[in-house]
Amino acid sequence: GDSVTQMEGPVTLSEEAFLTINCTYTATGYPSLFWYVQYPGEGLQLLLKATKADDKGSNKGFEATYRKETTSFHLEKGSVQVSDSAVYFCALGGNTGNQFYFGTGTSLTVIP
Amino acid sequence: GAGVSQSPSNKVTEKGKDVELRCDPISGHTALYWYRQSLGQGLEFLIYFQGNSAPDKSGLPSDRFSAERTGGSVSTLTIQRTQQEDSAVYLCASSLAHTGGGKLFFGSGTQLSVL
Repeated sequence: GDSVTQMEGPVTLSEEAFLTINCTYTATGYPSLFWYVQYPGEGLQLLLKATKADDKGSNKGFEATYRKETTSFHLEKGSVQVSDSAVYFCALGGNTGNQFYFGTGTSLTVIP
Repeated sequence: GAGVSQSPSNKVTEKGKDVELRCDPISGHTALYWYRQSLGQGLEFLIYFQGNSAPDKSGLPSDRFSAERTGGSVSTLTIQRTQQEDSAVYLCASSLAHTGGGKLFFGSGTQLSVL
């Protein structure tokens, strides 16, 4: 069945460091891929998405490219800020039956 | 309402009691999901409703868990004879149902604590 495997955390970075959070997926068909973010004390919200191969999703300085050849959707940001401290979830959806599958989440802490 | 609404926001109950958690999705969203988020864990799929179709119950962990969705709108997740391992945040999400992957809108969750 469809699934998402996400880099385990927690991740701690200094401000302005480069961030990569790895995500790979297993799916039949042509799913859409998502990154959701959960800031402390808040609910999950969509950060970015890509609906087909080679699409790049971007938002708030974060980027992720849908790589069908490597079945990956790694999240990157060139210079993290303290306000980026949150839990990041990779997700797959829209394949069969509109079901959504989430990774286990990666906790990011950015220190000044 | 403007977003997905869940109630109560916090629920403390005694082991063995039944609890009901409510989710009011965004108007017009035909897809509704329940997930469970345990401390230090990811999102665990519980159940999925799509319009008038039979729900996908494949994620329910035991027969103590059930859910219904009345009139294609409000959903209630019921946990019977609660156990301590049921303690978690229960999240509801809704979306417009269409192929290609709709965006999920999450509620703030219900924090369930079973003593």
